[in-house]
Formats: sequence, C-alpha cells, structure tokens
Amino acid sequence: TQLLEQSPQFLSIQEGENLTVYCNSSSVFSSLQWYRQEPGEGPVLLVTVVTGGEVKKLKRLTFQFGDARKDSSLHITAAQPGDTGLYLCAGAPDNAGNMLTFGGGTRLMVKP
Amino acid sequence: GAVVSQHPSRVICKSGTSVKIECRSLDFQATTMFWYRQFPKQSLMLMATSNEGSKATYEQGVEKDKFLINHASLTLSTLTVTSAHPEDSSFYICSATRAGHKTNYGYTFGSGTRLTVV
Repeated sequence: TQLLEQSPQFLSIQEGENLTVYCNSSSVFSSLQWYRQEPGEGPVLLVTVVTGGEVKKLKRLTFQFGDARKDSSLHITAAQPGDTGLYLCAGAPDNAGNMLTFGGGTRLMVKP
Repeated sequence: GAVVSQHPSRVICKSGTSVKIECRSLDFQATTMFWYRQFPKQSLMLMATSNEGSKATYEQGVEKDKFLINHASLTLSTLTVTSAHPEDSSFYICSATRAGHKTNYGYTFGSGTRLTVV
C-alpha cells in the first residue's frame, strides 16, 4: 500500500475535455507537490501547496490542497495534446523529515 | 532557477561490470540528494538519501553493497551500480534539495539515466 494513492492510474481523453486527478492519503503532509514527467526525462515541479484548503492556478491547471492536508487534486481544463505525460503527486509526511514520497502516478494521454 | 545535471543520460553495459552515474547541482549547494529508481510506466521509488560528508541512508530492500552512493561535496553525488545484472536495468533519477530549504520548496530532479545491462 502506497502512502499516497493517486487516481486514476491511466486516463485517455480527447482534446478539449476536462479532467481531475486525485491524490489521497491517511497521513498529514506539511506540503504536497505536483510534478509532470515526460518519457526519458526527470519530473518537473508544477506547484507546491502548503496551506490546508489552498487553491493554486497555473494557466489551465488548478491545484487544491485538502483542508486536513491529507489530499490534493489537479484539475485540467480544456486539455491539449501537450498536456500528455505522467503526473505525480509527492510530499513529505509531517513526521518524515525531508524525505519525499511519490504517488503511483497518473498517465494522461490527450488525443487531438 | 535550480538546475541538476545528471550524466550519463543513457548507458549500456555488460553484465558483471560497474556503472557510475553522476548527479551535480549546478547553481546551488545541495546538502541532501536523493536517488530514485523508476520502472517502465511506474512511479519513482526512493532508493537512498545521500547527505554530504556522511553515509547514505538506504531504503528497505535496497542493497547498499550493490548501489554505492558517494556524496563527497555539496554539488556532487554519485551512484555506482556494481556488478550489474540485467535486472538492474532501469531508469535512475537523482534529485536535490537546497541547503536550508524546507520540503515545501520542492525538489529539483536530474534528467535521469537509462541503464541497460546486456
């Protein structure tokens, strides 16, 4: 069982559709991060959420941190083929120092 | 912005040989570097945490004698896969956090190394 459960694992949608990716845990996190990874590359940080209930927007991407700081979501509006990739949530539980743990990832494919 | 350089990006080696992967923080001091392994279509699995000037902390199930980690300076950590076997073939990624920064600043990742053992 992973500390961070990410869903869905795979998502294939048409260009223009909206989607939401979820990241859930029973542990409390001081912060959660979302990364995007393309094949053959390392993950690239998209955003960090720190405060419970926080909402951050990055163009068509909206990130939310749960009030209890145990879960987070990523919503993409009007997805484009360029959004295709592996989306990873990650965080360090309150009692785990600075060791980052990753969710299982969501592989997104946006078809033109 | 913070940049982490990882080399080589791809390496093919013969079974039984050793391979060294380098991870450098180019424009910041990294007191802690992390090494991950990623299997195809899966997420990142933490192998070890490397602190400058001290021994690495390995995750459960990771053989420390097989995956040698050295963090001799604030800008360089190396991972050596010793006596590599085909099952060691994988994508290895390093990441670094800045000295004095808390987790919520995020981590900078290298571009990864694709290791193929034949």
